[in-house]
Amino acid sequence: GAVVSQHPSRVICKSGTSVKIECRSLDFQATTMFWYRQFPKQSLMLMATSNEGSKATYEQGVEKDKFLINHASLTLSTLTVTSAHPEDSSFYICSATQTSGGEGQFFGPGTRLTVL
Amino acid sequence: GENVEQHPSTLSVQEGDSAVIKCTYSDSASNYFPWYKQELGKRPQLIIDIRSNVGEKKDQRIAVTLNKTAKHFSLHITETQPEDSAVYFCAAHLSGGGADGLTFGKGTHLIIQP
Repeated sequence: GAVVSQHPSRVICKSGTSVKIECRSLDFQATTMFWYRQFPKQSLMLMATSNEGSKATYEQGVEKDKFLINHASLTLSTLTVTSAHPEDSSFYICSATQTSGGEGQFFGPGTRLTVL
Repeated sequence: GENVEQHPSTLSVQEGDSAVIKCTYSDSASNYFPWYKQELGKRPQLIIDIRSNVGEKKDQRIAVTLNKTAKHFSLHITETQPEDSAVYFCAAHLSGGGADGLTFGKGTHLIIQP
């Protein structure tokens, strides 16, 4: 199947700093990438939809100025958590799909963010 | 928007028995329903999916059924094995209306008792 990578796998940062997470589709071109957040023992919650070359679409309640998304190429999307606070600590997972309809999403391994 | 309910939250079955996880969705326009398996600290893995023009789909020990009228779909795992222990998520999606993220259920922690 298609391979999606994420970097870093885990990061610990101080409150007030910014953290960038990369999501790459390794063996296919991803028309669309998605960013999800998963708190411990909870489900995945969609944060935003990222399309190459255009602005991301954010879900209700997700601050676009805090979670900056850049989809510069068909194989790379980045999520920057700006001025991170302890409540932003979570597991951030991206997914990518080759289709325009959003089916067949393949997930990255996730990034564990801990904000002290 | 779409809302997906999933039951039960925890399911414990004896090895070799069958396990059934049920989900309901709210948006009748949703037409794509994947199931993901997630082991602790790892990425969700797609195990099976079904589209709304099909009522049932089977892949070895795993099957999914869909009832469009009632807006519910179920995952069936037969002859369960210890490696089936994980959290399973159902999801619903409107495919063809432009790329959109998945709406997930809250997950079912499946425990296979040896």
